[in-house]
Amino acid sequence: AQSVAQPEDQVNVAEGNPLTVKCTYSVSGNPYLFWYVQYPNRGLQFLLKYITGDNLVKGSYGFEAEFNKSQTSFHLKKPSALVSDSALYFCAVRDGRDTNAGKSTFGDGTTLTVKP
Amino acid sequence: DGGITQSPKYLFRKEGQNVTLSCEQNLNHDAMYWYRQDPGQGLRLIYYSQIVNDFQKGDIAEGYSVSREKKESFPLTVTSAQKNPTAFYLCASRLGFHNQPQHFGDGTRLSIL
Repeated sequence: AQSVAQPEDQVNVAEGNPLTVKCTYSVSGNPYLFWYVQYPNRGLQFLLKYITGDNLVKGSYGFEAEFNKSQTSFHLKKPSALVSDSALYFCAVRDGRDTNAGKSTFGDGTTLTVKP
Repeated sequence: DGGITQSPKYLFRKEGQNVTLSCEQNLNHDAMYWYRQDPGQGLRLIYYSQIVNDFQKGDIAEGYSVSREKKESFPLTVTSAQKNPTAFYLCASRLGFHNQPQHFGDGTRLSIL
């Protein structure tokens, strides 16, 4: 079984400040971890992934995420937030051993609001 | 441009009616998925397909049906048995290797008349 928790429904930050969106996961095998962003009435867009290797992963639009195996976390970060980063963010996990169509489990999402 | 096209963007269903949501991809992806998104509940998997002429039920398949007659197409039918169909429906596809991310369409919003 695999699961994802995004403990914060909402994160508010001021423009120019660093942001963090939290994600913890549970999976039996090695985790494949993904972050996606969703704007209103649109589909999800892929931001970044962790499969193996360096624990700090860099992705699109200046976002990065840190994989922490001991804490089973994969928090999304950005050094300086923009108003245009305001959106709904989803963390997803897939078991690296899973051959069953690579089903992913998504968190419930975190709404990020960046205020000018 | 390669991508996933979902149509229509908005759809209204009358009671007792079946409706079909279209999903077409030109990414040459093997796997395709249908998700339902309700406010505050994230994405829930309805059906998925790894190859043509094969598909499996996801977590909430009751009241839905799919077909996969072509690699590019994975239509979803919301049947009259689905008593609470109002939601945002998302189609996704993925290249065969399961360390790859999913690519999503822009969704269909289904409402009850």
